[in-house]
Amino acid sequence: GDSVTQMEGPVTLSEEAFLTINCTYTATGYPSLFWYVQYPGEGLQLLLKATKADDKGSNKGFEATYRKETTSFHLEKGSVQVSDSAVYFCALSMDSSYKLIFGSGTRLLVRP
Amino acid sequence: NAGVTQTPKFQVLKTGQSMTLQCAQDMNHEYMSWYRQDPGMGLRLIHYSVGAGITDQGEVPNGYNVSRSTTEDFPLRLLSAAPSQTSVYFCASRSTLAGVETQYFGPGTRLLVL
Repeated sequence: GDSVTQMEGPVTLSEEAFLTINCTYTATGYPSLFWYVQYPGEGLQLLLKATKADDKGSNKGFEATYRKETTSFHLEKGSVQVSDSAVYFCALSMDSSYKLIFGSGTRLLVRP
Repeated sequence: NAGVTQTPKFQVLKTGQSMTLQCAQDMNHEYMSWYRQDPGMGLRLIHYSVGAGITDQGEVPNGYNVSRSTTEDFPLRLLSAAPSQTSVYFCASRSTLAGVETQYFGPGTRLLVL
């Protein structure tokens, strides 16, 4: 079945460091891909999305490119801040389905 | 717009008790869903609804019931709580604008079953 695999955390970085969180997917068709962020004590918020191959989603300095050839959607940010500390979830949904399939989440801790 | 609201924020139950987790949205979304979040497992779909009067099972439906009598409300019922249902529960609603879907999540209900 369809699935999402994320790198395990926690990922600990110093402020202003470069961030990459890996995400790969398995799907029988052409999914839409998402990154959600969960700040401590809060629900999930949509960070960015991409709906077709080679699309780049971006928001708040974060970027991710839909790579069909490598079935990947890695999240990147050039310079992280302490306020970026959160859990990041990669997810997919198929056009024919209403369901979101999530990865297990990656916790990011940014130290001053 | 209040978005997606959930009550209560936190609940402690004893094994065998029943309760209802409330979820409401004011965005007139047809699709709503319930997820549970467990450590190291991401979010898993419990039940979903594509409109008033229509519900279906997700990945982990056992021990839970849902109903959808209005577009706004989508309560989740635990019939007889078990320790395995200790989790954080999230309700979500979905919009599709210009063919692009976006799901909006509530703040969550943290449930502890003793």
